[in-house]
Amino acid sequence: DAKTTQPPSMDCAEGRAANLPCNHSTISGNEYVYWYRQIHSQGPQYIIHGLKNNETNEMASLIITEDRKSSTLILPHATLRDTAVYYCIVRVAAGGYQKVTFGTGTKLQVIP
Amino acid sequence: EAQVTQNPRYLITVTGKKLTVTCSQNMNHEYMSWYRQDPGLGLRQIYYSMNVEVTDKGDVPEGYKVSRKEKRNFPLILESPSPNQTSLYFCASSYRRNTEAFFGQGTRLTVV
Repeated sequence: DAKTTQPPSMDCAEGRAANLPCNHSTISGNEYVYWYRQIHSQGPQYIIHGLKNNETNEMASLIITEDRKSSTLILPHATLRDTAVYYCIVRVAAGGYQKVTFGTGTKLQVIP
Repeated sequence: EAQVTQNPRYLITVTGKKLTVTCSQNMNHEYMSWYRQDPGLGLRQIYYSMNVEVTDKGDVPEGYKVSRKEKRNFPLILESPSPNQTSLYFCASSYRRNTEAFFGQGTRLTVV
């Protein structure tokens, strides 16, 4: 799986949009971009994933650049409960294995 | 309720005393994984399983064993625990290799 690079930490004002970047310059054509978050030491929670088109669900939006070398997770109206560590990972869509590397993620602090 | 259940949630043990951390999912998922999480190192995959009787090593398999005799269960076995296996452990499952993963609540293991 391709390696991802994320800033170690970010702050965001409550009510504003939080934009979390991720670089995955070595991503392959069959690899999806996934985002998870982890609140305190709870189990990570799935947020969203995409291949090349932008995606939106009830939690967030995912913007993937045309060359697929980077992406941005957008939390449109951040709340205090969105304070967490956010992980960007890439995973192969097909093939016989599911080896996954999470990395250290971005610690998002939402400020009142 | 769809969930991944790990037991125990907390465990303190002594060096060399064999232990098993259980993981069970009720979603009929094919794929299951174990991760450990250590400060500054993020989540690292220990082992994964693509189906019953099919398992493979992740990034940090040394000192661990797993088995997948039934689809719903994926226990993590430490035959001879050592202090460097003190960590927070997570089990995860997913329906297919490229779908969202559901994580358990974690097991905090301390080996003294």
